[in-house]
Parts: sequence; C-alpha cells; structure tokens
Amino acid sequence: SQQGEEDPQALSIQEGENATMNCSYKTSINNLQWYRQNSGRGLVHLILIRSNEREKHSGRLRVTLDTSKKSSSLLITASRAADTASYFCATDAWGAQKLVFGQGTRLTINP
Amino acid sequence: DVKVTQSSRYLVKRTGEKVFLECVQDMDHENMFWYRQDPGLGLRLIYFSYDVKMKEKGDIPEGYSVSREKKERFSLILESASTNQTSMYLCASSSRPLPYEQYFGPGTRLTVT
Repeated sequence: SQQGEEDPQALSIQEGENATMNCSYKTSINNLQWYRQNSGRGLVHLILIRSNEREKHSGRLRVTLDTSKKSSSLLITASRAADTASYFCATDAWGAQKLVFGQGTRLTINP
Repeated sequence: DVKVTQSSRYLVKRTGEKVFLECVQDMDHENMFWYRQDPGLGLRLIYFSYDVKMKEKGDIPEGYSVSREKKERFSLILESASTNQTSMYLCASSSRPLPYEQYFGPGTRLTVT
C-alpha cells in the first residue's frame, strides 16, 4: 500500500519559473523526505522535514509540512534545465523501520 | 561521500535462471534495502536488512530471497527468474535508526526473456 502520493504526476514549466509538487500521506509520520531521480539513475536525497517542523529551506528548495492535512509540498524556485527529473516523497510511519515512497512527479524544465 | 555500488547496470537473463544482484556500500551503514521500480508503481520494497545475517520482508518478497553475510554487502537473489521480474532494481543503505536518509545505488535494469 502506498503511503505517499504525489500530485501532479507530471509537470512541465519554462526555465526560470517555480515548480510546486505536492505529497499526501495516510498515517501519522515521524518525518517526510524528498528525493530526486534523474532518468535511469538512483535516487538522491534532497531534504528531510520532521513532523514537528512546518517549513524547511535548502538552497532553491522549500518544503512545507501540514500534519493536520497529512500533506507536504516541495517548491523549487528559479528552475533550471538540470532540475528535470522525477521527484519522490517518502515517509516513515511511527514504529516502522522502513520508508514508503510515493509514485513520483515527473518534472520537465523547458529551455 | 557515501557510495553504493551495484554489480551491473544492465542485465539480460532467461526465464528460469537463477539471478544474483549484488550491492556494496562503503559507509559502514547498518541498514540496507532492495527495491524494484516499475512505471506507474513507484518504488516497492522487496527486502531489507538491519544487520549482518538479519533480513526482513518488504511489501513484495515473493520470488526473491536475500543474503547479507558481510555488513557492506547485500545480495538479492531471484531463485527462478520470470518475465514479470523484468524491472529496475535499486539498492539503498542508511544509518540506524531511521529517519536517516537513504543512499541509493545507480540501479540495475534487469530484463528476463
């Protein structure tokens, strides 16, 4: 069963614009993570936000978490062609020793 | 930098063959994981391991087994490969306990014909 679900499934924007992706999950979590995957490669960790945090920044990335709505968003500002990739959220439910990944959002940045 | 390596980037096997996928990490991580990734289904956990000789079933363990004889190495075994096991296989490792980030290998694209 999928814990995290991303929305939209695919997103195409112009270089320089901001990109926003959303993630919803079903059960209480300890933390939520976002990963990036370039085509045909492994995943790379981007950012982690704990359940007691509401917002976190890392460079051009901003993540928000709303535990009352069981949702998170990832904002990439001033997008670049190199940001073209799939983005996944992952959650670890309390008491679980594993991450559960969503199906991902495929982001395309057009030059 | 943490490095997770997988034995092959691409692999083609025949139905019924026994297949070994190897994963090695160099950061002394306790936890190691095997996922498969299919279009529209995201990443699904096959097996994971907390420690040497320890293993736990993930969400889709059927048709697979694992081996962890050394801390740095985690092997995924397809006892008798079938066409529905054609997929991208990803290995990952992390420190204990969660919620530490997972470090992924580059993946092995397995085709079973």
